Amino acid sequence: SQQGEEDPQALSIQEGENATMNCSYKTSINNLQWYRQNSGRGLVHLILIRSNEREKHSGRLRVTLDTSKKSSSLLITASRAADTASYFCATVPYYSGAGSYQLTFGKGTKLSVIP
Amino acid sequence: DSGVTQTPKHLITATGQRVTLRCSPRSGDLSVYWYQQSLDQGLQFLIQYYNGEERAKGNILERFSAQQFPDLHSELNLSSLELGDSALYFCASSVDGTGGTGNTIYFGEGSWLTVV
Repeated sequence: SQQGEEDPQALSIQEGENATMNCSYKTSINNLQWYRQNSGRGLVHLILIRSNEREKHSGRLRVTLDTSKKSSSLLITASRAADTASYFCATVPYYSGAGSYQLTFGKGTKLSVIP
Repeated sequence: DSGVTQTPKHLITATGQRVTLRCSPRSGDLSVYWYQQSLDQGLQFLIQYYNGEERAKGNILERFSAQQFPDLHSELNLSSLELGDSALYFCASSVDGTGGTGNTIYFGEGSWLTVV
């Protein structure tokens, strides 16, 4: 079952603009991760934010986490055509079980950056 | 390149058949995961192995089975295939198998399975 729900499902912007994608989830988490997938290709890990963190940066990426609202956002600044991809949030439950590591993915946001 | 290698990249087979997907994890990674990505179900966790032992099971059908060998490579066996099994199957690996540590899970490029 899907834990995270990304919003919007699709986003189209001009190169140079900022892109914001949101993710909501239902149960308590240990951490939340964002992945990128170019069309039909593998998933690339972008950033991980732990439940006790509120904001993280990595290059042009900024992720925020609000555990009270069970939501996260991914901001890509100064977007480029190469950022065109689907972006997924994935949650790790607060209790991952004995040595288990399950990512529960949302359905993703399809980002199109127009040159 | 994530370092996770999957074969074959593409596979077309008929209903009722059986296929095996193969995965080599990144060097040094002990945990292997299998995920299925389909249009209707999205990305679904199937199963996790750690150093040869099953650690967690997700939405894996009884017709599917997996194993991790002593050299840490893994195989996903899909049998009695149905049209609905058509999907992109990902293998992933991480250095350990515990979500709480926050170690990155690295995904391969996937194996496209088409059942006709």
